[in-house]
Amino acid sequence: EPEVTQTPSHQVTQMGQEVILRCVPISNHLYFYWYRQILGQKVEFLVSFYNNEISEKSEIFDDQFSVERPDGSNFTLKIRSTKLEDSAMYFCASSDQQGTNSGNTIYFGEGSWLTVV
Amino acid sequence: DQQVKQNSPSLSVQEGRISILNCDYTNSMFDYFLWYKKYPAEGPTFLISISSIKDKNEDGRFTVFLNKSAKHLSLHIVPSQPGDSAVYFCAASGRFNAGNMLTFGGGTRLMVKP
Repeated sequence: EPEVTQTPSHQVTQMGQEVILRCVPISNHLYFYWYRQILGQKVEFLVSFYNNEISEKSEIFDDQFSVERPDGSNFTLKIRSTKLEDSAMYFCASSDQQGTNSGNTIYFGEGSWLTVV
Repeated sequence: DQQVKQNSPSLSVQEGRISILNCDYTNSMFDYFLWYKKYPAEGPTFLISISSIKDKNEDGRFTVFLNKSAKHLSLHIVPSQPGDSAVYFCAASGRFNAGNMLTFGGGTRLMVKP
């Protein structure tokens, strides 16, 4: 079964450093997302991306965050200057359609655990 | 932001019995609902979904019921198996979200005892 893959599975970084989390969405999917889950808290939406641009972003997704699809397969999340509170599991996800009339199942990757020290 | 709530943080059920997980939402603009299962240190795995035009959707041992007037949905697992032990999240989306954003509940930890 096709799946969303993420690298790295775990990264430890110093506060203030830049981090890039990488994702390979399911190959025929066109809509890409980043979510995160701080330990013990809800899964939270960060950003959605379609046709090489951000279609929606949450309040969490401030100027420190950026997303990019540098080639035909990868989708990346960059955190420019990490803070302690950025420590979380970051999930990449993808879907093949937009709109909820016919359903919009979003498939998640295994996650990248980011620890900022 | 409490648009989607799962009021039971945990549920314990005997193997073979029914598990019922509940979810409430406040935003009447939500029109699509999903249940995900999550093991520790793994991503959410899609289980089953339901559109607001339906009140029931069934897939094998999993059935989701939607009560729009009560803004309530539930996931029934029958029969429950020890492998079902995980955290279950309900999530909701609506056409008002241009980017297909999912709003998640806080999760319910299901423990199925052999």
